[in-house]
Amino acid sequence: AQSVAQPEDQVNVAEGNPLTVKCTYSVSGNPYLFWYVQYPNRGLQFLLKYITGDNLVKGSYGFEAEFNKSQTSFHLKKPSALVSDSALYFCAVTTSNAGNNRKLIWGLGTSLAVNP
Amino acid sequence: EAGVAQSPRYKIIEKRQSVAFWCNPISGHATLYWYQQILGQGPKLLIQFQNNGVVDDSQLPKDRFSAERLKGVDSTLKIQPAKLEDSAVYLCASSPGALAGGPADTQYFGPGTRLTVL
Repeated sequence: AQSVAQPEDQVNVAEGNPLTVKCTYSVSGNPYLFWYVQYPNRGLQFLLKYITGDNLVKGSYGFEAEFNKSQTSFHLKKPSALVSDSALYFCAVTTSNAGNNRKLIWGLGTSLAVNP
Repeated sequence: EAGVAQSPRYKIIEKRQSVAFWCNPISGHATLYWYQQILGQGPKLLIQFQNNGVVDDSQLPKDRFSAERLKGVDSTLKIQPAKLEDSAVYLCASSPGALAGGPADTQYFGPGTRLTVL
């Protein structure tokens, strides 16, 4: 079955340190990959996506993600974490259905806590 | 550019009652999605519209949930009758979706409606 895994329920990092939120997937073919962030009592906000091309994707708020096809991963990174980055992060991947019948499947989310 | 609007933001009802949620997508966006997000889980797609036609409703519990998108703009999602397990946040999202909700499209989400069923 096609799936997305976010292996860490929670990530804790000190302010100013680099952060990584992990995402791996099990989808055949060439999926599209997304990261969204959810702040408390707010909807999901788009951070970045990989469609094709350069494996390193830069997004909003200084975040970036690296697509690694051989490891089927799309980890989210930021060089220097801010307290305001504390939120719930979701990885989403399209299924390998043909053309526009691809569906978006979501990970369970990773709670990021940045400590001052 | 105005974002996706949803109302109400919060709703508390008794089980077996009915409830309706409203969504106004970003102007010009052809594709509209309704998701259910249960605490501790990722969003689950309930229904996807392309203009005023349904693209995917495979995970919509059709015995109690219904949705419509009249005139291809606003949409309402209804639950009738509600069950305890329907307690969740209901998210509406839209995307430009030139072709049946183009899978590479970015989805833009509203703030959600938190439903509590007692």
